[in-house]
Amino acid sequence: DSGVTQTPKHLITATGQRVTLRCSPRSGDLSVYWYQQSLDQGLQFLIQYYNGEERAKGNILERFSAQQFPDLHSELNLSSLELGDSALYFCASSFGLAGAMDTQYFGPGTRLTVL
Amino acid sequence: AQKVTQAQTEISVVEKEDVTLDCVYETRDTTYYLFWYKQPPSGELVFLIRRNSFDEQNEISGRYSWNFQKSTSSFNFTITASQVVDSAVYFCALSEAPFGYGGSQGNLIFGKGTKLSVKP
Repeated sequence: DSGVTQTPKHLITATGQRVTLRCSPRSGDLSVYWYQQSLDQGLQFLIQYYNGEERAKGNILERFSAQQFPDLHSELNLSSLELGDSALYFCASSFGLAGAMDTQYFGPGTRLTVL
Repeated sequence: AQKVTQAQTEISVVEKEDVTLDCVYETRDTTYYLFWYKQPPSGELVFLIRRNSFDEQNEISGRYSWNFQKSTSSFNFTITASQVVDSAVYFCALSEAPFGYGGSQGNLIFGKGTKLSVKP
């Protein structure tokens, strides 16, 4: 158990809908990262937050957004969902600002299925 | 650009065999970090090891060992006396630490993974 929690574990929804994925980092960690794992793209970095502020963006679509709250939990919002958004979404956390210097510990993931 | 290549898509071995998973990386930075993660069939990503670019010492942890060679930009992972529980997808990842890293990225660049099947 990495100490990172994600809810829900599974999510099934329809095209065009909006969903919210939630992540609680390990106790004491200030950085939260979101990654998407799909069969064709593999594991891809989406976005990073540090202590409530956005710090880095990767291949995140405009239909997706995220935020980190004062209690450090984070939410990833996916809207106007398409079939291709079906994937496993991971949240990771690390203590400091630069994940390179710290180890990122991953949550169990949320499996999103868009029908 | 940063890139991680895991040329072996799938490997199948019989229990107790030794197996080496290859990882080749590309980066222009002199300071960077390399990682291995394990993804068992249950789906979670489990951290195995982190190595920084200034430390080329090989590491051994039980049946696991890692061989980091900057000259060939490789960070290979060997499992000795493999067991069925080692069956998983293994990912190699790279992260760069830009000068004055404060405020900049630390995201991981992952390889495509190697699926290891250990048969009894």
